[in-house]
Amino acid sequence: DAGVIQSPRHEVTEMGQEVTLRCKPISGHNSLFWYRQTMMRGLELLIYFNNNVPIDDSGMPEDRFSAKMPNASFSTLKIQPSEPRDSAVYFCASRVTGGSGYTFGSGTRLTVV
Amino acid sequence: QQQVKQSPQSLIVQKGGIPIINCAYENTAFDYFPWYQQFPGKGPALLIAIRPDVSEKKEGRFTISFNKSAKQFSLHIMDSQPGDSATYFCAATLGGATNKLIFGTGTLLAVQP
Repeated sequence: DAGVIQSPRHEVTEMGQEVTLRCKPISGHNSLFWYRQTMMRGLELLIYFNNNVPIDDSGMPEDRFSAKMPNASFSTLKIQPSEPRDSAVYFCASRVTGGSGYTFGSGTRLTVV
Repeated sequence: QQQVKQSPQSLIVQKGGIPIINCAYENTAFDYFPWYQQFPGKGPALLIAIRPDVSEKKEGRFTISFNKSAKQFSLHIMDSQPGDSATYFCAATLGGATNKLIFGTGTLLAVQP
């Protein structure tokens, strides 16, 4: 099992540009979560999906952020337009719905200059 | 009420010492309390977890102590090693199918040789 796969590992972009982060969950896991990690705010849940359906997006900071899960094996988190304060490490995690164990990807380190 | 408060923010111990990390919560609906370990450049990984119907759980050198009446739980690392140096997060989940994971703020542990 390759685990949760995120791409890219690092992204540097200019303010105002669109950024798309990608995630492939573990096969058979039907819940997917996007987290953001910063020194100031720690690990924040942005949005999560059950069976490809967004359940709770209350953590999405602004309308500039959007997430999709078109199928069970792929999700994207998009920021448009990006701002320097969006700089953080973004993690994707997956688990079996109703199960306890979350598996995290290695994250995408986003730097907006 | 959905917060999980974690302390200390950082901790330095000598090899063989027993670092203790503490967490407290308010919401009695939380029903699962995992600890995650995160190394630099990696995503958090599940270390050990406990449910509120038990007061202690041990896995290898890692022990969770749980005090339901005080709404507190702690992680003890026996015979700590330099390889245990990492950031540790406590977390809690609400009951039901959503299992949204709420993280503490993290403790940076350094085990000196």
